[in-house]
Amino acid sequence: KAGVTQTPRYLIKTRGQQVTLSCSPISGHRSVSWYQQTPGQGLQFLFEYFSETQRNKGNFPGRFSGRQFSNSRSEMNVSTLELGDSALYLCASARTGSYEQYFGPGTRLTVT
Amino acid sequence: GENVEQHPSTLSVQEGDSAVIKCTYSDSASNYFPWYKQELGKGPQLIIDIRSNVGEKKDQRIAVTLNKTAKHFSLHITETQPEDSAVYFCAASYKRGSQGNLIFGKGTKLSVKP
Repeated sequence: KAGVTQTPRYLIKTRGQQVTLSCSPISGHRSVSWYQQTPGQGLQFLFEYFSETQRNKGNFPGRFSGRQFSNSRSEMNVSTLELGDSALYLCASARTGSYEQYFGPGTRLTVT
Repeated sequence: GENVEQHPSTLSVQEGDSAVIKCTYSDSASNYFPWYKQELGKGPQLIIDIRSNVGEKKDQRIAVTLNKTAKHFSLHITETQPEDSAVYFCAASYKRGSQGNLIFGKGTKLSVKP
């Protein structure tokens, strides 16, 4: 069974631009969560989607948004990029009713 | 809000020795405690987890213990091998009925010297 896939793996953007990251969950998993990982703040929860609905949201500004499609694939968008948004963005998926989350390899975003 | 403290931040052991990483959580409503291993350039890999109704769980060389009263949980790795070298994260899930909302510790960099 294929794991969680994320595209692109690496991205370089300029401050003020916007970016869209994509995540394909493990087949059959309907829950997708997004996390930001930085050396200073560690792993922080962004939001969670289930059946195309945002179920939970972390403490991030409104510039961070996401959505989920009917096939459970998810995208997250960051608008008006800031230098501090440079991070590894991780996507995790889970089966319905399970607490176990499986992470993808992440997208390394660099904002210059 | 929920907070997870993890210690130590770095740990160096000789191959064959045991390694112990400890975490504490703040929200007594937390009911799920996973441990992840992250190697360089990869996403976190779930290695073991424990639910709040269980005190201990083992999987070969890895074990996790949970003390709900003290709000402590620990990862024990026995007979360490060089391939155990990685960053380990503990986490707690504090929202009942939610599959997201993992709150992570800051991580422990484990180095196993051959």
